[in-house]
Amino acid sequence: GESVGLHLPTLSVQEGDNSIINCAYSNSASDYFIWYKQESGKGPQFIIDIRSNMDKRQGQRVTVLLNKTVKHLSLQIAATQPGDSAVYFCAERGSQGNLIFGKGTKLSVKP
Amino acid sequence: KAGVTQTPRYLIKTRGQQVTLSCSPISGHRSVSWYQQTPGQGLQFLFEYFSETQRNKGNFPGRFSGRQFSNSRSEMNVSTLELGDSALYLCASSLAGGRVKDTQYFGPGTRLTVL
Repeated sequence: GESVGLHLPTLSVQEGDNSIINCAYSNSASDYFIWYKQESGKGPQFIIDIRSNMDKRQGQRVTVLLNKTVKHLSLQIAATQPGDSAVYFCAERGSQGNLIFGKGTKLSVKP
Repeated sequence: KAGVTQTPRYLIKTRGQQVTLSCSPISGHRSVSWYQQTPGQGLQFLFEYFSETQRNKGNFPGRFSGRQFSNSRSEMNVSTLELGDSALYLCASSLAGGRVKDTQYFGPGTRLTVL
């Protein structure tokens, strides 16, 4: 039969606005988290990472926030541009080093 | 530095056949991990190789196997292909991998279609 695809949450923003993408992780013992961006037809591209001893980390136009109390990560993109349109994945580092990915959020930027 | 490269980019096979995919990591990276991406299951970890040894393995059947060469290049093989093996297979490399918190960089993937 036909396979059912993952229902990706979608975020639609106006060009120039700020975007906030949220992610819940599963393991309270996870100590390293990464955000990836995946454009159509490409592999995931590293955006920013954060270790569990930090609450916030900033990059160029991006900020990651980590709330360990509720096991929540967020990615904030400032002044969103059309080139930011992609699927965004959060990932946590498993106990053996492998990445455990979330389902992803599709970001659409309206010009 | 050149990024992670994967060959071939696209493959079409029929059920029952086998397939070998190749990955060349970033120069100097010794850890190579493989992931399967499907619309139904998302991104799932297959296995990780470091210094020619499989260091970690995900929850996939034995039809999925891999190896790593002394130059850190890696191959993965899928035998007795099933329709459900149709997916994007992604390779990621990092300096040391494992429990070290270094970044994994992904290649463009190999799109496998099983008919």
